[in-house]
Amino acid sequence: SQQGEEDPQALSIQEGENATMNCSYKTSINNLQWYRQNSGRGLVHLILIRSNEREKHSGRLRVTLDTSKKSSSLLITASRAADTASYFCATVLFGNEKLTFGTGTRLTIIP
Amino acid sequence: NAGVTQTPKFQVLKTGQSMTLQCAQDMNHEYMSWYRQDPGMGLRLIHYSVGAGITDQGEVPNGYNVSRSTTEDFPLRLLSAAPSQTSVYFCASSYSGAGGHNEQFFGPGTRLTVL
Repeated sequence: SQQGEEDPQALSIQEGENATMNCSYKTSINNLQWYRQNSGRGLVHLILIRSNEREKHSGRLRVTLDTSKKSSSLLITASRAADTASYFCATVLFGNEKLTFGTGTRLTIIP
Repeated sequence: NAGVTQTPKFQVLKTGQSMTLQCAQDMNHEYMSWYRQDPGMGLRLIHYSVGAGITDQGEVPNGYNVSRSTTEDFPLRLLSAAPSQTSVYFCASSYSGAGGHNEQFFGPGTRLTVL
């Protein structure tokens, strides 16, 4: 089934550094969404980017979308310990109401 | 607003038992959905509903039933629990489906173990 694949599966960086996660998908999408999941908790929506958009920002988050390469990236700048979490991309196809999630990137921020 | 609430938080069942996972939202959202999360597999859609009285199957519906008699509630029923249904279950809601460019609001999850 259509699914985003995140890369890398796990990432450890020092506090204050930038973290970049990538998501690739297989077929044309309506929109792509990024979610964060802290350990043992539900998912929290971060950013939604539409297929006709190339970049969106929200605070320290920047998401890019390259539909020609069928890929998206999530950049977290000036990372903090509280950013330690799993990050998931999720795709939505045209004419479809459903979200399909990738397997996630586990981000660890080292104080 | 309480947002999306799920009960119970934890549950242990024996193979063959049945139970209902409860999900409720107080945001007047039309769209509700159930996912299961297994290690290394991300979230997989079980069932979803675009409004009261309307439900449809997701990616992994077998062994689960849903109904949507009100806008607020979307219970998930396990008919005869199997060890393969050991997982963490998340309920989510949004103003409309994800194709309407809407973010999903997730509940805290129910951790289910089937022995």
